Amino acid sequence: DAGITQSPRHKVTETGTPVTLRCHQTENHRYMYWYRQDPGHGLRLIHYSYGVKDTDKGEVSDGYSVSRSKTEDFLLTLESATSSQTSVYFCAISGPDLGYEQYFGPGTRLTVT
Amino acid sequence: GIQVEQSPPDLILQEGANSTLRCNFSDSVNNLQWFHQNPWGQLINLFYIPSGTKQNGRLSATTVATERYSLLYISSSQTTDSGVYFCAADYGNNRLAFGKGNQVVVIP
Repeated sequence: DAGITQSPRHKVTETGTPVTLRCHQTENHRYMYWYRQDPGHGLRLIHYSYGVKDTDKGEVSDGYSVSRSKTEDFLLTLESATSSQTSVYFCAISGPDLGYEQYFGPGTRLTVT
Repeated sequence: GIQVEQSPPDLILQEGANSTLRCNFSDSVNNLQWFHQNPWGQLINLFYIPSGTKQNGRLSATTVATERYSLLYISSSQTTDSGVYFCAADYGNNRLAFGKGNQVVVIP
């Protein structure tokens, strides 16, 4: 699993509440990513980071923000959760030390009621 | 943006059978990865294959970048091969675009 953990693993929250998901890695890989997985869509890129304080938007970034203040942590925040953000969220890591191959964490199942 | 299409979407196999999964992509890509998502949701790396052919046990993959497709071969399938297979294309700066997956069920 390339030393990737995600927390929480499961969360149920109400519409309009803020939610933060955490991705933690133990091996100082440079690149980190957040994806969401929905039925019929495969995985879609939300945000990514090439280093500390270096982040950018992916294809489905509306309603999400990210922060990376330390190499090992990449946080995904839903400022005001909506039912359309019910999904499974995956974090991934990559970097030159991995030959740029991406490795995924175990996922977080988020339900917004 | 780049489009990644996988076929067939669903496949049922008798244990021991062979199969081929196909991934087409609409534009030039830097790299291509294949993943297996097991029934517990875990994404497992299978191949990192920008071009050429690689083999790992009963699985092998071929990418023909000039023709914009990749193939994943499963030989002598086992029930543990069940799950969803995803291909993902690196369309620049190490960002991946995923196909919708091939749902494979292997029956004993």
